[in-house]
Amino acid sequence: GAVVSQHPSWVICKSGTSVKIECRSLDFQATTMFWYRQFPKQSLMLMATSNEGSKATYEQGVEKDKFLINHASLTLSTLTVTSAHPEDSSFYICSARDREVGNQPQHFGDGTRLSIL
Amino acid sequence: GQNIDQPTEMTATEGAIVQINCTYQTSGFNGLFWYQQHAGEAPTFLSYNVLDGLEEKGRFSSFLSRSKGYSYLLLKELQMKDSASYLCAAVDSNYQLIWGAGTKLIIKP
Repeated sequence: GAVVSQHPSWVICKSGTSVKIECRSLDFQATTMFWYRQFPKQSLMLMATSNEGSKATYEQGVEKDKFLINHASLTLSTLTVTSAHPEDSSFYICSARDREVGNQPQHFGDGTRLSIL
Repeated sequence: GQNIDQPTEMTATEGAIVQINCTYQTSGFNGLFWYQQHAGEAPTFLSYNVLDGLEEKGRFSSFLSRSKGYSYLLLKELQMKDSASYLCAAVDSNYQLIWGAGTKLIIKP
């Protein structure tokens, strides 16, 4: 089945550091990838939709200069949390679909747990 | 606006059956997904329904009624490992997923 690899799994770093998270589709091409954030005991919150070769579409309230998304190829999207602060600590999850068809499920990466000290 | 409603939490007994309901209101509709999410892990795909009726897949079944904007996930022969959050997500006319807040299912021995 479709596999999405997300790296790293855990990041612990100091406040002010920028952190890059990678999301790769391993056995399919993903024209669209999604970035979610999930705080403890809360539901998934879509941050942005990443489209290959074009600018990402950010959800309301998500700062595009804070969360930089690059989708340079059909198998890789990256999320960079710039100048991270403790309030950015969260579980970040990416997902991808291999076709722009409604019945294709989003396949999720294993998530990245980000802790900012 | 677009909205997904599902219960916040449910409790059931090992070996029993539980039904988790989901109602949705979306701009257009292109199907409904159910995902399972264990604590601290990413969601995993369970089912997809786009036509009315019941889809059975082992111990898990999913039902859809498009006219009622309603779906349910049925879990049979509950096992302790089924303790997780179950997320309902509807696909709107732009093929975007509209997520419910998830139902936390607690299984007791």
